[in-house]
Amino acid sequence: DARVTQTPRHKVTEMGQEVTMRCQPILGHNTVFWYRQTMMQGLELLAYFRNRAPLDDSGMPKDRFSAEMPDATLATLKIQPSEPRDSAVYFCASATPGQGVITEAFFGQGTRLTVV
Amino acid sequence: EDKVVQSPLSLVVHEGDTVTLNCSYEVTNFRSLLWYKQEKKAPTFLFMLTSSGIEKKSGRLSSILDKKELSSILNITATQTGDSAIYLCAVERAGGTSYGKLTFGQGTILTVHP
Repeated sequence: DARVTQTPRHKVTEMGQEVTMRCQPILGHNTVFWYRQTMMQGLELLAYFRNRAPLDDSGMPKDRFSAEMPDATLATLKIQPSEPRDSAVYFCASATPGQGVITEAFFGQGTRLTVV
Repeated sequence: EDKVVQSPLSLVVHEGDTVTLNCSYEVTNFRSLLWYKQEKKAPTFLFMLTSSGIEKKSGRLSSILDKKELSSILNITATQTGDSAIYLCAVERAGGTSYGKLTFGQGTILTVHP
């Protein structure tokens, strides 16, 4: 059954450590989003890709965050070095927007990151 | 920068009540407005609205878009405890390389008491 898969589901790390989150989008979807969710800010768009090319990463702190799609089946979000304020749930979503098509973005289960 | 504002931020009601959730937006080159429901984990899709004034319905939930006022409402009638969730509103861009970009609001936390 088609779903977006994120790993790990939970991550606790110490401040200063590198964190890598992975996402496997639904096969055939050409658009991948990374969101961060906190109680204060809600669901913030960090970056998104179409056909593996980054389209908009303006929501991402550039000095410590990076997002890539090494191939069509894998998207990664990396934080280096991590800070306590990065603690949040990170969601990946995939979709195939287009004329006459509902852009229903399907979300993964999220990675809950805690930086201590 | 695209912006989505939802109100209220939280709402507590009793079973059987009717609730109305609001969403207003500013977006470059609007294509659609979407509503999602988030329970414990991932948000799940409810509705997509593209045309003004046309109501979408699914059981006790309904939604309508007002493109003149740049807003949408989500109504839930005869609420049940299972409706307790975060309701998220998002806008989608059309055209150019950034079509399909989804920007979400902060969400409305709905709590339904028995």
